[in-house]
Amino acid sequence: NAGVTQTPKFRVLKTGQSMTLLCAQDMNHEYMYWYRQDPGMGLRLIHYSVGEGTTAKGEVPDGYNVSRLKKQNFLLGLESAAPSQTSVYFCASSYSARSSYEQYFGPGTRLTVT
Amino acid sequence: EDQVTQSPEALRLQEGESSSLNCSYTVSGLRGLFWYRQDPGKGPEFLFTLYSAGEEKEKERLKATLTKKESFLHITAPKPEDSATYLCAVQPRVQGAQKLVFGQGTRLTINP
Repeated sequence: NAGVTQTPKFRVLKTGQSMTLLCAQDMNHEYMYWYRQDPGMGLRLIHYSVGEGTTAKGEVPDGYNVSRLKKQNFLLGLESAAPSQTSVYFCASSYSARSSYEQYFGPGTRLTVT
Repeated sequence: EDQVTQSPEALRLQEGESSSLNCSYTVSGLRGLFWYRQDPGKGPEFLFTLYSAGEEKEKERLKATLTKKESFLHITAPKPEDSATYLCAVQPRVQGAQKLVFGQGTRLTINP
């Protein structure tokens, strides 16, 4: 049981390049999330999904797109990277059941945009 | 607006010196309050969920408590391996979503 995994672990992009971050979970969780973590800002929600085929905007969605084609995977895309998107990105997942709301996080992807 | 403020930003303790971390929050309706531990270069690790005022949860040297306006994470006789950043988050009662609003964290260092 690997939990939540993220690919890649590190990436350096040039301004204007595109990339996709992959998140996978093997806990059969309905909900999945993408956060970014910046010094002094805490974790901020980018996009989330409440089930396969659904996505919704979080607190800071601009410049990002997401897709949830399979229940276990949640992809985060940057179409045209900007230096302001330099950050550490975390994926998380959780059950939708009323008795359990905690989110489980992946190890993160450190992205630098030059 | 839902908001979480953690204090202090950083705390240094000697091994065995007990203390508390504070998490103050404002939220339209609280579904739950969460504590996470984050080690450098890793993702947050779930510790506790508290759902209502007066509730307490314990795990080894950690005890989390909740009031209507704040939560405390008490650390009793800490060891160097308790060094980490501790994150507090609230989950507003919003139908159809389980969004978390995080504080900035308290960086705890335990010196041997």
